Amino acid sequence: AQSVTQLDSQVPVFEEAPVELRCNYSSSVSVYLFWYVQYPNQGLQLLLKYLSGSTLVKGINGFEAEFNKSQTSFHLRKPSVHISDTAEYFCAVNAGNQFYFGTGTSLTVIP
Amino acid sequence: GAVVSQHPSWVICKSGTSVKIECRSLDFQATTMFWYRQFPKQSLMLMATSNEGSKATYEQGVEKDKFLINHASLTLSTLTVTSAHPEDSSFYICSVPLRGLKGEAFFGQGTRLTVV
Repeated sequence: AQSVTQLDSQVPVFEEAPVELRCNYSSSVSVYLFWYVQYPNQGLQLLLKYLSGSTLVKGINGFEAEFNKSQTSFHLRKPSVHISDTAEYFCAVNAGNQFYFGTGTSLTVIP
Repeated sequence: GAVVSQHPSWVICKSGTSVKIECRSLDFQATTMFWYRQFPKQSLMLMATSNEGSKATYEQGVEKDKFLINHASLTLSTLTVTSAHPEDSSFYICSVPLRGLKGEAFFGQGTRLTVV
């Protein structure tokens, strides 16, 4: 069985400060890892993904994430956030072509 | 541009009526599509897997007679919420997996359903 845990439901951060959104997963099979962003009343937009290879992956809007197999984590980071980064962020694993999502982290950037 | 188009983006309906939501794959054929439901402040939960030319596969706890799925062509899947009730109010999102791209999928824009 697969599961995804996002440890922080809400993360407030000041503009231009760094941020880390945490994600841990459990799976009995090999998985692919994703981070999606969702703006209000919109669908999901892919931020970045880990499929194989380098454990540090870079995505859009200056985000990056590091896959840590031993800790089964895939934390999302950005060195300097912008007001426009305020949104809901979902970590997800894909196993057998099926997605399993975390409960989401609401990132609020404070001016 | 959008690869997966979902329509309508929002709908308000009266309790007891039915609502149809469409999910179209614009650039490629899709033998499989997925339907998710998202309640406020919660994550996306898989409702069912739509299979072209055959019956949909529903997740445990999802009523197949209430959420009718039709995948009549390789580019269109529809979800019909029958006899809608206020508790069916939610955000519904479809996704289309990409063949050849490991584990990737495109998501529709979502449909906000409000049943009054």
